[in-house]
Amino acid sequence: RKEVEQDPGPFNVPEGATVAFNCTYSNSASQSFFWYRQDCRKEPKLLMSVYSSGNEDGRFTAQLNRASQYISLLIRDSKLSDSATYLCVVYGTASKLTFGTGTRLQVTL
Amino acid sequence: DAGITQSPRYKITETGRQVTLMCHQTWSHSYMFWYRQDLGHGLRLIYYSAAADITDKGEVPDGYVVSRSKTENFPLTLESATRSQTSVYFCASTPTSEGIEQYFGPGTRLTVT
Repeated sequence: RKEVEQDPGPFNVPEGATVAFNCTYSNSASQSFFWYRQDCRKEPKLLMSVYSSGNEDGRFTAQLNRASQYISLLIRDSKLSDSATYLCVVYGTASKLTFGTGTRLQVTL
Repeated sequence: DAGITQSPRYKITETGRQVTLMCHQTWSHSYMFWYRQDLGHGLRLIYYSAAADITDKGEVPDGYVVSRSKTENFPLTLESATRSQTSVYFCASTPTSEGIEQYFGPGTRLTVT
């Protein structure tokens, strides 16, 4: 079983739609969780951290369920510019991050 | 401009040749990392460094060598390149051991023929 698993997609959604991605992780001792965004042929960049209480940043909401070991990302009112690959990332120890393979989102007119 | 840079951005080499990928950061971050990204595998950690002269293996270190004589530089060497090392290589850095955010360089696309 992979340490971090994501549905690769692609998720094709129209502008204005709401879309949600889930991610599961295998190590129950994992300490911190993140969503990174990666545009085509570019480097990954931090989108947001994921807290136990859930957190929201504009149109983006991230949630963590430690009991079921999954993380979610909700994007409301999708924009064309949201088209990218979203990487689920788990922090273990010694500053080492484990990355999921990513979920590709394509927002269309 | 401050940040993290990688060179070369693109490289084509032949099987068996030695190749060095450079990574330079201007933030004086303690931690630096090398990842490779391949379809179906996501980003995998090759080597990391907690400080100058301190390096350690990641998930896929075989065939790679690193050094870190200065805080700002973290070169990655493929001692004898193989086709399986064709990949996109990303360098990253972070200031602490808390793993809060890693800052990535633009990547090096390496093709081994």
